[in-house]
Amino acid sequence: EPEVTQTPSHQVTQMGQEVILRCVPISNHLYFYWYRQILGQKVEFLVSFYNNEISEKSEIFDDQFSVERPDGSNFTLKIRSTKLEDSAMYFCASSEFLGISGNTIYFGEGSWLTVV
Amino acid sequence: GESVGLHLPTLSVQEGDNSIINCAYSNSASDYFIWYKQESGKGPQFIIDIRSNMDKRQGQRVTVLLNKTVKHLSLQIAATQPGDSAVYFCAEGGVRNQGGKLIFGQGTELSVKP
Repeated sequence: EPEVTQTPSHQVTQMGQEVILRCVPISNHLYFYWYRQILGQKVEFLVSFYNNEISEKSEIFDDQFSVERPDGSNFTLKIRSTKLEDSAMYFCASSEFLGISGNTIYFGEGSWLTVV
Repeated sequence: GESVGLHLPTLSVQEGDNSIINCAYSNSASDYFIWYKQESGKGPQFIIDIRSNMDKRQGQRVTVLLNKTVKHLSLQIAATQPGDSAVYFCAEGGVRNQGGKLIFGQGTELSVKP
């Protein structure tokens, strides 16, 4: 079964450092997303991306965050200068169509980011 | 410092019993609702979805019920098995011009006793 894959599975970084989280969405999917989950809390939307543009972003997704599709298969989330409160599990997701069509959004296994 | 997480609602059932997990959603404009299962250390796994023009949808061992009048969603799991133990999240989405964004609920931890 096709799946969303993410790397790294776990990264520890020092506060103020830049981090890039990588994702390979399902191959025929056109819509890509990043969500995060702080330990013990609910999953929160960060950003959606389609046709090389951000479609929607949350208030969490400030100027320290950026996304990119550098080639035909990867989708990345960059945090420019990490803060302690950025420590969370970051999930990449993808869907074939936009969510309003009632299609399934598939999630990866997550990248656990620890900022120290 | 120490992080404090939310205390999840919990549901404990005996193996073989039916489970009902409830969720209240917030946005009356939401058009699409999904139940996800999350096992420890893993990503949300799709279980079943429902559009707002339906009030019931059945899958394999699972049924989702939607009550738009009171903005309530439920997930019924028949003959619950130990492998069903996980945190279950409802999510709402499908609001136009929101780029496919899903809003997740708090989650319910299901524990199945053998």
